[in-house]
Amino acid sequence: DGGITQSPKYLFRKEGQNVTLSCEQNLNHDAMYWYRQDPGQGLRLIYYSQIVNDFQKGDIAEGYSVSREKKESFPLTVTSAQKNPTAFYLCASSTVAGDTDTQYFGPGTRLTVL
Amino acid sequence: GQNIDQPTEMTATEGAIVQINCTYQTSGFNGLFWYQQHAGEAPTFLSYNVLDGLEEKGRFSSFLSRSKGYSYLLLKELQMKDSASYLCATASGGSYIPTFGRGTSLIVHP
Repeated sequence: DGGITQSPKYLFRKEGQNVTLSCEQNLNHDAMYWYRQDPGQGLRLIYYSQIVNDFQKGDIAEGYSVSREKKESFPLTVTSAQKNPTAFYLCASSTVAGDTDTQYFGPGTRLTVL
Repeated sequence: GQNIDQPTEMTATEGAIVQINCTYQTSGFNGLFWYQQHAGEAPTFLSYNVLDGLEEKGRFSSFLSRSKGYSYLLLKELQMKDSASYLCATASGGSYIPTFGRGTSLIVHP
């Protein structure tokens, strides 16, 4: 079955530690995205990538980093510089950005920083 | 930027019809999306409108008026499983990446 996987579903970390969230897709989509969702807030774009080895900052990129070494994978690192890292993180993919194609979302990772 | 406004919460009765409104302000409009998100789960795509008018998909319909910066999602024959958050999102300014509103939490009761 084609889809997007994120792991783990729940993640706990101590303050000051970097943590990497996984996102893999087998939909052959060129574009991938990371969003953050907080209670009572809409989804906010962190980073996106339209092609391998290239990515762009979204609206709230500070304290985060990404890589896109493979088409299928777009991991997100939450660094210790992120002031409020506890949130629900959603990864999505679509065909080439610049078209009106739908974003397909992964199941999300709920990160709690203690 | 894009300003998207939708009600925070709505309640409705099973079997009824509910309309969730979304107003937006944007330049270079490239389309409006509706997503459904159950608590703790991923958003799932419901509809995309780029031209004015009503698009119907089974129990769900979506309407767009570009001149008014207005859209609504219409849910008919409500079922308990329709209890979820409904996210309105717009794309604009040469980008097709949607910007999301805060979502409307719909509670369907018996």
